Amino acid sequence: KQEVTQIPAALSVPEGENLVLNCSFTDSAIYNLQWFRQDPGKGLTSLLLIQSSQREQTSGRLNASLDKSSGRSTLYIAASQPGDSATYLCAVGGYGQNFVFGPGTRLSVLP
Amino acid sequence: NAGVTQTPKFQVLKTGQSMTLQCAQDMNHNSMYWYRQDPGMGLRLIYYSASEGTTDKGEVPNGYNVSRLNKREFSLRLESAAPSQTSVYFCASSEGRSAAYGYTFGSGTRLTVV
Repeated sequence: KQEVTQIPAALSVPEGENLVLNCSFTDSAIYNLQWFRQDPGKGLTSLLLIQSSQREQTSGRLNASLDKSSGRSTLYIAASQPGDSATYLCAVGGYGQNFVFGPGTRLSVLP
Repeated sequence: NAGVTQTPKFQVLKTGQSMTLQCAQDMNHNSMYWYRQDPGMGLRLIYYSASEGTTDKGEVPNGYNVSRLNKREFSLRLESAAPSQTSVYFCASSEGRSAAYGYTFGSGTRLTVV
């Protein structure tokens, strides 16, 4: 059974810092991995979707990398802003399987 | 560009009452999902529908039923609500069942059972 963990559980940084969020999964036979953002009291917004054949995806200040063999993905946020404050979740999809979600990392970017 | 629409946004039920959570998507997606989100538990799959006319149990199906009314709509029913069903419920959709496709989520229904 696929298990997904995210470290750290919470992170507080000053504005302008570059930061890395980590996602680990136990079964490396994945099809893809998706990063989401969730604002308090809101739904999930898709940030990046990485297929298993890809090593990274970029969108603006966000870069997500995938290392299947080690069971890890990282989400890199450049030049963080207070508006980046949210919970970030990763979800791992296996072949013909539904996504399995991690518990999330709660990010606070301080002005 | 509505995406995935859930109704209602908030609901308070008494123990034993029943209700149906509605979900509709306008992206012509084949697959739809119901999740619940609880503090410290993350998102857990309740039921999913890989395609119109099919439904399957997820990780935590007990106490729930679903109906895939048509390609657009997927409803979740609580027949006899219990306090343990207090949670935030999310509906999601994707082009296909395979994890080749990403998920699009609705904004959620916050349910309290007293």
